[in-house]
Amino acid sequence: GENVEQHPSTLSVQEGDSAVIKCTYSDSASNYFPWYKQELGKRPQLIIDIRSNVGEKKDQRIAVTLNKTAKHFSLHITETQPEDSAVYFCAAVNAGGTSYGKLTFGQGTILTVHP
Amino acid sequence: NAGVMQNPRHLVRRRGQEARLRCSPMKGHSHVYWYRQLPEEGLKFMVYLQKENIIDESGMPKERFSAEFPKEGPSILRIQQVVRGDSAAYFCASSPTGGWYNEQFFGPGTRLTVL
Repeated sequence: GENVEQHPSTLSVQEGDSAVIKCTYSDSASNYFPWYKQELGKRPQLIIDIRSNVGEKKDQRIAVTLNKTAKHFSLHITETQPEDSAVYFCAAVNAGGTSYGKLTFGQGTILTVHP
Repeated sequence: NAGVMQNPRHLVRRRGQEARLRCSPMKGHSHVYWYRQLPEEGLKFMVYLQKENIIDESGMPKERFSAEFPKEGPSILRIQQVVRGDSAAYFCASSPTGGWYNEQFFGPGTRLTVL
């Protein structure tokens, strides 16, 4: 099955700096890569996603890049703010052979933005 | 739209008791996924259900765990004879269709503590 590795496990930045979180996946058939943000004690919420036919996607201060050849994808947050502090999870979906979205998550990155 | 609802939010059980976790998907959603999050870990897929059907239960332990999504009412995740290792946060997510590209909307989770 699919395996997703996520790094770093913790990331501390100063307000206004950029933050980058990286994930690698094992199954070359995976074709959908969402990123979720989870605040302490709260539900995971989708912040951005990318499909395998796209190399980059941007939404205001958040961007995701995908390198299918290397099987890795990254989350980039620019101009970080204290409210960006949370746990971020990457995930991969392999729809090969099925048609449904079973998410395989990375281990999570605890992002702390210091004012 | 109230979003995905889960209850109870917190559940305390003694070893050997049964735990029943409920998930009401968003209105119009007929696809439900259950994930388990152990302390300081990522979410792990357990089971995917459509109304009255279990589609994929490959992530669910073979013993003591069962899931259902009846025609009427919420989806239920049932854990019999709980053990301390079952202590975790259990999240359900719903989507309007099972398509791999569909966003999964997560509920607030049920935090199970086994004494």
